[in-house]
Amino acid sequence: EDQVTQSPEALRLQEGESSSLNCSYTVSGLRGLFWYRQDPGKGPEFLFTLYSAGEEKEKERLKATLTKKESFLHITAPKPEDSATYLCAVQSNQAGTALIFGKGTTLSVSS
Amino acid sequence: ETGVTQSPTHLIKTRGQQVTLRCSSQSGHNTVSWYQQALGQGPQFIFQYYREEENGRGNFPPRFSGLQFPNYSSELNVNALELDDSALYLCASSSSGTAETQYFGPGTRLLVL
Repeated sequence: EDQVTQSPEALRLQEGESSSLNCSYTVSGLRGLFWYRQDPGKGPEFLFTLYSAGEEKEKERLKATLTKKESFLHITAPKPEDSATYLCAVQSNQAGTALIFGKGTTLSVSS
Repeated sequence: ETGVTQSPTHLIKTRGQQVTLRCSSQSGHNTVSWYQQALGQGPQFIFQYYREEENGRGNFPPRFSGLQFPNYSSELNVNALELDDSALYLCASSSSGTAETQYFGPGTRLLVL
């Protein structure tokens, strides 16, 4: 069965303190790995799609990387507005068109 | 370009009632997926519609049903509501194809009393 595990569950950072969020996955044939940002009570906002090991994508202070077992979301010099829950999801050969999500990492950045 | 929209934003129902949630897909997208997100959890896949046909279903009972219309908008219907159905219901639209990115709407918050 496809599984996605995110760690840590919660992360508190000071403004400017860089860190990484982890997404470990077990799937039968990865089609794609997706990162989303979700603010409280809102729908997830798309950040990145990664398709194969070794791939990297960047957007402002965020950088996503992918290996055969996990993905990292690196946050460089975060600001308070980066506070949100970050969700990782996979699409696999077994699950077909469904996205299988982890529970998310809730990031709080204080000034 | 218009994003994914959902209605209503909030809804309160009592146990045993029926509810219909609506979703308009992003322009250019022909596929709609529905997810249920309980508090503190990641979204769970309910089903997907493509060309007005169900194209994949998660582990949800038959009282969860859906429709897709020729303009690619969609409805999620839930019969015989249970307290555990209280959640944020998310609609996502995408183009057809393998591993296409799904773009989410703002969600409908359903509370079942």
